[in-house]
Amino acid sequence: QKEVEQNSGPLSVPEGAIASLNCTYSDRGSQSFFWYRQYSGKSPELIMFIYSNGDKEDGRFTAQLNKASQYVSLLIRDSQPSDSATYLCAGNSGGYQKVTFGTGTKLQVIP
Amino acid sequence: EAQVTQNPRYLITVTGKKLTVTCSQNMNHEYMSWYRQDPGLGLRQIYYSMNVEVTDKGDVPEGYKVSRKEKRNFPLILESPSPNQTSLYFCASRGQGGENFYGYTFGSGTRLTVV
Repeated sequence: QKEVEQNSGPLSVPEGAIASLNCTYSDRGSQSFFWYRQYSGKSPELIMFIYSNGDKEDGRFTAQLNKASQYVSLLIRDSQPSDSATYLCAGNSGGYQKVTFGTGTKLQVIP
Repeated sequence: EAQVTQNPRYLITVTGKKLTVTCSQNMNHEYMSWYRQDPGLGLRQIYYSMNVEVTDKGDVPEGYKVSRKEKRNFPLILESPSPNQTSLYFCASRGQGGENFYGYTFGSGTRLTVV
């Protein structure tokens, strides 16, 4: 069983809509979670970090964490074509040393 | 500029010829890590280091070696590369303390082809 799971997509949303990306994790000891954006051929770029239950907002991005249900989500409001990328969910395990990534969800924002 | 620098960006080599991919960070980060990225498998951790002379295996360490003699450098060594090590490799670093310090900063990647 993969420690961090994501739907590979692609997830297609129209421009201006809310994109909702989801991730589940199996290690109950995981404490911190990350969302990275990766454009094709580029390196992952950290966009959100969350470690407390609830919501965390940063501009158009909202990360949500529910430790009881072991899921993490990322909402992108007012989606733009420039948001089209693969979004990677990651969580730490084995303490803070090990960070495990999901396989990523490809998001396509249709103009 | 704060960054993680890896070299080379592209490398084609032959089976069995030892190679080293260099990684250097200028952020005084304690943690450094190597990942490989393959289609359908995502990013998988090869090795990580918590500080100078402290390293540990990740999920896919077979066929790789690392060293951390200086805080800024974390080279990845393939002593006898094989075709199944053809992949996109990323070096990453992060610091301790503060919220965003737990998030890795990634290098630009090294695309390795072993023929």
